[in-house]
Amino acid sequence: AQKVTQAQTEISVVEKEDVTLDCVYETRDTTYYLFWYKQPPSGELVFLIRRNSFDEQNEISGRYSWNFQKSTSSFNFTITASQVVDSAVYFCALSEATGYSTLTFGKGTMLLVSP
Amino acid sequence: DAMVIQNPRYQVTQFGKPVTLSCSQTLNHNVMYWYQQKSSQAPKLLFHYYDKDFNNEADTPDNFQSRRPNTSFCFLDIRSPGLGDAAMYLCATSSEGNYGYTFGSGTRLTVV
Repeated sequence: AQKVTQAQTEISVVEKEDVTLDCVYETRDTTYYLFWYKQPPSGELVFLIRRNSFDEQNEISGRYSWNFQKSTSSFNFTITASQVVDSAVYFCALSEATGYSTLTFGKGTMLLVSP
Repeated sequence: DAMVIQNPRYQVTQFGKPVTLSCSQTLNHNVMYWYQQKSSQAPKLLFHYYDKDFNNEADTPDNFQSRRPNTSFCFLDIRSPGLGDAAMYLCATSSEGNYGYTFGSGTRLTVV
């Protein structure tokens, strides 16, 4: 069975601080996909990144960066110089590497960025 | 732009009164999913369609049904909503070989 653990329930930071959201996963599959989604107060799920299990390169997109470590089954997400607009719930998710397998979500981490 | 559209954005229904939520897509994806998300919880899969094949999650209550009349549309029917069914309902699509999921904006259901 697949499982995603986001141990941090809520994180509060002050604007411009860097913040890292942790994600640890469990799967028996050798091939899988990992995702991060952002859910602002309006409720929609906004796709941030998808990472193939074969690709362990870290990725950077603007202020966002992701650290994938297969050895520790972790896929952590860092926001550099956080902004108030980053305030949201962030979900880490896992799926099998088929085109139609279902997503297994973590419980989410609520990030509050204050001015 | 190709997208997943959910209507209505907000739905208020009475206790026990049947309600239908709708989802449409212009992506031509062959898989459609319905997730239920209660306050401060992760989305929970209710069921999904792979083309016309319906796949129900084992713990989805019988009170929840779904219809997919064609590739573009999928409906979630709640036959007798209870107070515990108040939640955000999210529709998503994916396509074999695409390995990505596109979510709609969700319908927030209130039961009074």
